[in-house]
Amino acid sequence: DAGITQSPRYKITETGRQVTLMCHQTWSHSYMFWYRQDLGHGLRLIYYSAAADITDKGEVPDGYVVSRSKTENFPLTLESATRSQTSVYFCASSEQGNGYTFGSGTRLTVV
Amino acid sequence: GDSVTQMEGPVTLSEEAFLTINCTYTATGYPSLFWYVQYPGEGLQLLLKATKADDKGSNKGFEATYRKETTSFHLEKGSVQVSDSAVYFCALSDRGNFNKFYFGSGTKLNVKP
Repeated sequence: DAGITQSPRYKITETGRQVTLMCHQTWSHSYMFWYRQDLGHGLRLIYYSAAADITDKGEVPDGYVVSRSKTENFPLTLESATRSQTSVYFCASSEQGNGYTFGSGTRLTVV
Repeated sequence: GDSVTQMEGPVTLSEEAFLTINCTYTATGYPSLFWYVQYPGEGLQLLLKATKADDKGSNKGFEATYRKETTSFHLEKGSVQVSDSAVYFCALSDRGNFNKFYFGSGTKLNVKP
């Protein structure tokens, strides 16, 4: 089905482990984004990408790594997870001038 | 820089009441403006948008008008339903800057039967 898919929906990991959150979109939108949503902070931009192989830091990039080798995929990796990275993560895609389409989110808990 | 400010919640209304959620913005260029809605446990969904001054976006009984003179994009609905209970986010899109969006902090709406 067309759309933007995030996986997994839920993830529990231990402090210090590496974890990758996946994001896949079927529209070939140029722009893709990763946000985290925390109570009291709203949505904060982690990383974004304007096209394949073009990525840039957002507001809160520390501790995260992204890649975009293909237009449709934009994985987010936590290199060494910390408890402060417990959050709900949203991926989004868009084309120039249009609104974002969001995925359903990944709820990550770091214990 | 660009930013969005929206009224703090939660907002609690009775069914069929009139809803206004205020949103003001700061932008250096000519942004597009959006309202998103987030139902519990779900991602954000686009509710409506306006791309230039005086445009009115509307959807599902919700409306918002892009007011350049007051830099506002207030969300309104004439008669809310219990099913409208959600968090509402105002946002602007800076088309000149990698299509980045700037979101407000969200306003939680609770509608009581």
